[in-house]
Amino acid sequence: EAQVTQNPRYLITVTGKKLTVTCSQNMNHEYMSWYRQDPGLGLRQIYYSMNVEVTDKGDVPEGYKVSRKEKRNFPLILESPSPNQTSLYFCASSPGQGVKLFFGSGTQLSVL
Amino acid sequence: EDKVVQSPLSLVVHEGDTVTLNCSYEVTNFRSLLWYKQEKKAPTFLFMLTSSGIEKKSGRLSSILDKKELFSILNITATQTGDSAVYLCSNAGGTSYGKLTFGQGTILTVHP
Repeated sequence: EAQVTQNPRYLITVTGKKLTVTCSQNMNHEYMSWYRQDPGLGLRQIYYSMNVEVTDKGDVPEGYKVSRKEKRNFPLILESPSPNQTSLYFCASSPGQGVKLFFGSGTQLSVL
Repeated sequence: EDKVVQSPLSLVVHEGDTVTLNCSYEVTNFRSLLWYKQEKKAPTFLFMLTSSGIEKKSGRLSSILDKKELFSILNITATQTGDSAVYLCSNAGGTSYGKLTFGQGTILTVHP
């Protein structure tokens, strides 16, 4: 089944403890991206990747890192999480930029 | 700065009503505009629009783009309780090829 798999679904952590949210797609998509969703603000793009080893900042990249060493994986890294990073996170992929996105199930992150 | 604005932010109707959701945008190097429906979790794709004046239709839902006036509308006729969701509009464009900008979303509630 074609899908984007995101883990974990829920995560509670404490300020400053490094964490990684994984994202994997099995559709051979070139484009992958990360979003955070906060009430009243819609989805905001954190980082995106046009292909392996090619990543770029979205609108809200501060406090996040990404890597794209393989086409299928695009992990989101929070090196020192802070409470203002408490949010619902989505990973998404698509065959190219500007076309239909396939979303993962989301990760609800709480930073205490 | 790229911008996507949706209106209204919230809408409550009764089953059988027709609704129109609006999405206006300011994006350099416009490539496409996409609509998504978000129920409990991840957004799901509805329509992609690239050309002005061509209506996309799927059952009771339809959408059209006006590239001159920089807006799109999503119409839902004969609404059902299952249409209750957040509707998101996103715009591909901007100075960076991979950037995606989403609006705040419209929360639609359909009462029986």
